[in-house]
Amino acid sequence: GAVVSQHPSWVICKSGTSVKIECRSLDFQATTMFWYRQFPKQSLMLMATSNEGSKATYEQGVEKDKFLINHASLTLSTLTVTSAHPEDSSFYICSARPPGQGPEAFFGQGTRLTVV
Amino acid sequence: DAKTTQPPSMDCAEGRAANLPCNHSTISGNEYVYWYRQIHSQGPQYIIHGLKNNETNEMASLIITEDRKSSTLILPHATLRDTAVYYCIVRPYNTGKLIFGQGTTLQVKP
Repeated sequence: GAVVSQHPSWVICKSGTSVKIECRSLDFQATTMFWYRQFPKQSLMLMATSNEGSKATYEQGVEKDKFLINHASLTLSTLTVTSAHPEDSSFYICSARPPGQGPEAFFGQGTRLTVV
Repeated sequence: DAKTTQPPSMDCAEGRAANLPCNHSTISGNEYVYWYRQIHSQGPQYIIHGLKNNETNEMASLIITEDRKSSTLILPHATLRDTAVYYCIVRPYNTGKLIFGQGTTLQVKP
């Protein structure tokens, strides 16, 4: 199957700082990528849809000024958590679906963010 | 909101078949049934999908009722590595966006 890779796999940052998470499609071009957040023992929650060359579409209740998404190329989307606080600590996961290769979406391995 | 209902947890003996049910009574005519699983601290993994016919691949089988209001994912010979949270999702074919419900935690026991 197609490969989606995230970096870093885990990150610890101080409260008030910003952290950037990268999501890359390694063997296909993705005009659209999706970002999810998952708290411990909970399901994945869709945060936003990242669109190459245009603004991201955020789900209701997700602060777009706090979670900045940039999709500057067909293989890279970035999620920046700005002014991070301990409550932003979570597992962040991205996904993408290769165009014309079937309906399944492929997920990155996730990024564990801990804000201290 | 998720459009599916799954039992929160199930156990299965290693080597036996695991049958995971899913209710999707409000499924629309253009929506497919997808199954993903998430092993602890990893990204979800695609398993199988179907519209109205039963489907089988190297990982599992998917049985969809004739009225399409429910389905069952079958892992024919469960192994310890199949321990995971299994998510049943309904969505149109060409949408990459997935709305996850709470899923079923499958525990495969020796």
